[in-house]
Amino acid sequence: RKEVEQDPGPFNVPEGATVAFNCTYSNSASQSFFWYRQDCRKEPKLLMSVYSSGNEDGRFTAQLNRASQYISLLIRDSKLSDSATYLCVVTSSTSYGKLTFGQGTILTVHP
Amino acid sequence: NAGVTQTPKFRILKIGQSMTLQCTQDMNHNYMYWYRQDPGMGLKLIYYSVGAGITDKGEVPNGYNVSRSTTEDFPLRLELAAPSQTSVYFCAIDSGYNEQFFGPGTRLTVL
Repeated sequence: RKEVEQDPGPFNVPEGATVAFNCTYSNSASQSFFWYRQDCRKEPKLLMSVYSSGNEDGRFTAQLNRASQYISLLIRDSKLSDSATYLCVVTSSTSYGKLTFGQGTILTVHP
Repeated sequence: NAGVTQTPKFRILKIGQSMTLQCTQDMNHNYMYWYRQDPGMGLKLIYYSVGAGITDKGEVPNGYNVSRSTTEDFPLRLELAAPSQTSVYFCAIDSGYNEQFFGPGTRLTVL
């Protein structure tokens, strides 16, 4: 089983749609969780950290379910500019800073 | 303030050649990382450093070497290039709380 698993998609949605991505992780002792965004042929950029209580940043909402070991990202009112690959990232419980990346979920928002 | 810079942006190597990928940061962070990303895949950690003079192996270190003589620089060395090392290489720094900030990447092709 992969340490971090994501549905690779692609997800194709119209502008204004709501879309949700899920990610599961295998190590129950994982400490920190993130969503990164990666545009085509660019570097990953931190989108948001994921907290146990859930957190929201504008149109983006991230949630963590430690019991089921999954993380979700909800994007409301999708924009064309949201088209990208979304990477689920989990940190090691034993070594600070050692991130484990999922393979990414491709999102395409069309007019 | 350039953040994290990487050179070169692109490189084509012949099998058996060697090269050094450069990574420089101007943010005075101790933790630095090298990742590789193969097409359609997440990032995999090659080597990391927690400060000048200290380096350690990540998930996929074979075929690579690193050094960290200063806080600013963290070069990655390929001694005998192989086609399996064709990838995009990203350098990153940890800006705190496990949040990593990436350089623009180096696209390497080994033929």
